[in-house]
Amino acid sequence: DGGITQSPKYLFRKEGQNVTLSCEQNLNHDAMYWYRQDPGQGLRLIYYSQIVNDFQKGDIAEGYSVSREKKESFPLTVTSAQKNPTAFYLCASSWRVETEAFFGQGTRLTVV
Amino acid sequence: AQKVTQAQTEISVVEKEDVTLDCVYETRDTTYYLFWYKQPPSGELVFLIRRNSFDEQNEISGRYSWNFQKSTSSFNFTITASQVVDSAVYFCALSEENFGNEKLTFGTGTRLTIIP
Repeated sequence: DGGITQSPKYLFRKEGQNVTLSCEQNLNHDAMYWYRQDPGQGLRLIYYSQIVNDFQKGDIAEGYSVSREKKESFPLTVTSAQKNPTAFYLCASSWRVETEAFFGQGTRLTVV
Repeated sequence: AQKVTQAQTEISVVEKEDVTLDCVYETRDTTYYLFWYKQPPSGELVFLIRRNSFDEQNEISGRYSWNFQKSTSSFNFTITASQVVDSAVYFCALSEENFGNEKLTFGTGTRLTIIP
């Protein structure tokens, strides 16, 4: 079945460590997005990519990095520079900006 | 810059009542797209509807209806005869056809609780 897959579902990180969240889609979508969700703050855009080998910073990119080497994959690395990384992270993809986005099931990251 | 405002943080209604979720947007573009998504407790967002800036026709889908008014920059969502299964967080979103900078911006969401 076509869809978007995020892994892992739950992730624990020690302070000072980098972690990478996986996002894979088999929908042949050009655009991919990463959002962070905190209670009461909705979805905030971290990074987005409209095409392979190109991506742009969103509203809260500091402390995060991404790559888009393949159309299907858009991994997000939460670096040690991110001071408050505990949150729910959602990945999404869409064919074009005017079409609906499909979301993964999310990764809940907790710093321990 | 694009912005979406959902002023209602939380709403609670008794089952079978009607409820309207407000969404106000800001954009400088003449071509843009508006969306509503539902987030059930499982966390995965579910697409509900899409509207482009040139189509102000209201839409009804079963118990759901949407009122798009460019004059007030609003795209409100009404649930008629609410049911417990409607309990979720609802997000309004906006994307602009701004070549090289197309991004999808969400509001802060409205948590809707339907009381049985």
